[in-house]
Amino acid sequence: DGGITQSPKYLFRKEGQNVTLSCEQNLNHDAMYWYRQDPGQGLRLIYYSQIVNDFQKGDIAEGYSVSREKKESFPLTVTSAQKNPTAFYLCASSILTQSYNEQFFGPGTRLTVL
Amino acid sequence: ILNVEQSPQSLHVQEGDSTNFTCSFPSSNFYALHWYRWETAKSPEALFVMTLNGDEKKKGRISATLNTKEGYSYLYIKGSQPEDSATYLCALKTSYDKVIFGPGTSLSVIP
Repeated sequence: DGGITQSPKYLFRKEGQNVTLSCEQNLNHDAMYWYRQDPGQGLRLIYYSQIVNDFQKGDIAEGYSVSREKKESFPLTVTSAQKNPTAFYLCASSILTQSYNEQFFGPGTRLTVL
Repeated sequence: ILNVEQSPQSLHVQEGDSTNFTCSFPSSNFYALHWYRWETAKSPEALFVMTLNGDEKKKGRISATLNTKEGYSYLYIKGSQPEDSATYLCALKTSYDKVIFGPGTSLSVIP
């Protein structure tokens, strides 16, 4: 079955530690995205990538880093510089077309900083 | 900063009631509008993509309309069922690679 997987589902981190969230897709999509959701807010874009070895900052990139070494994989690292990392993180992928790019989402990772 | 708004924030309806909610967006920089349904403990799933002013889309009991000139889209659910309980997100595509999500409307259908 084609889809997007994220791991782990729940993640606990001590303050000051870096942590990496995994995102893998087998949909052969060019574009991948990372979003953050906080209570009462919409999905906010952290980083996105349209092609291997290239990525762009979204609206809230500070304190995060990504890599795109393979088309299938787009891991997100939450660094110790992120001041308020406790949130729900969603990964998505899409084809890129001129008129629309419906996004397919993974199940998400809930990160809690202790 | 472009902003996408949704109203109401939450909604509780009785089973069988019809309901509707709104997505508002700046009418400039419009490429497309998406509606997603996000059920608890699942991933958001696409309902509709709408690209033209006046577009109307329908899937079963759910339909949506689009007015790009005034910057809004309505989502309608006819005869709500408990399985319709979810958060409904709209997302505005403003350029080739940029999408802005609204905060969502949380719908609870009471049996």
